[in-house]
Amino acid sequence: QQQVKQSPQSLIVQKGGISIINCAYENTAFDYFPWYQQFPGKGPALLIAIRPDVSEKKEGRFTISFNKSAKQFSLHIMDSQPGDSATYFCAASSDRGDAGGTSYGKLTFGQGTILTVHP
Amino acid sequence: DSGVTQTPKHLITATGQRVTLRCSPRSGDLSVYWYQQSLDQGLQFLIQYYNGEERAKGNILERFSAQQFPDLHSELNLSSLELGDSALYFCASSSGQGGYGYTFGSGTRLTVV
Repeated sequence: QQQVKQSPQSLIVQKGGISIINCAYENTAFDYFPWYQQFPGKGPALLIAIRPDVSEKKEGRFTISFNKSAKQFSLHIMDSQPGDSATYFCAASSDRGDAGGTSYGKLTFGQGTILTVHP
Repeated sequence: DSGVTQTPKHLITATGQRVTLRCSPRSGDLSVYWYQQSLDQGLQFLIQYYNGEERAKGNILERFSAQQFPDLHSELNLSSLELGDSALYFCASSSGQGGYGYTFGSGTRLTVV
């Protein structure tokens, strides 16, 4: 129930195209859904995040779409650029923690998507 | 520079040995989190400390332990190392206790030979 499933594992798009990465979760206690971007040799960096009280959040070329009933959320990268080539992780957490109160600060990550944007 | 400092950046050690990884959080952040990143398991939460106290625990092995000191820096101790412990270990920090607003460090790459 703690899993976050991410797809696809890898994605190749042309410069200027739209990159779409999808995630699905099972735990209805999750109430915070961030996306992280990771370049080789670096730690994950927070890209954009959403809470379930809104269905969409946009920051520049990056948009999160959230479907609470389907327990799915996705990252859209508009006008993809070669500099966007990186690994993207979705994640989820619950401010309330789990039933045992032992995972309050825990982020559960998806398996990651390697995005390659060709010039 | 994220503001979260991890040392060392690389560590090579033999099986059975013990190592200590160090993390200095961003100025003002009270929470420190430790994650393990491996190819087959992805990013796995190990443990969280908030203002010196353990706040949340993941699937951290008994051979692993951590602490957060009064100056808020944290150390992750890995003992009786096995080949399977080879991974990237990330520290993150945040101002609050919840799982939002994380800032990750650049990680320590541990290789057990």
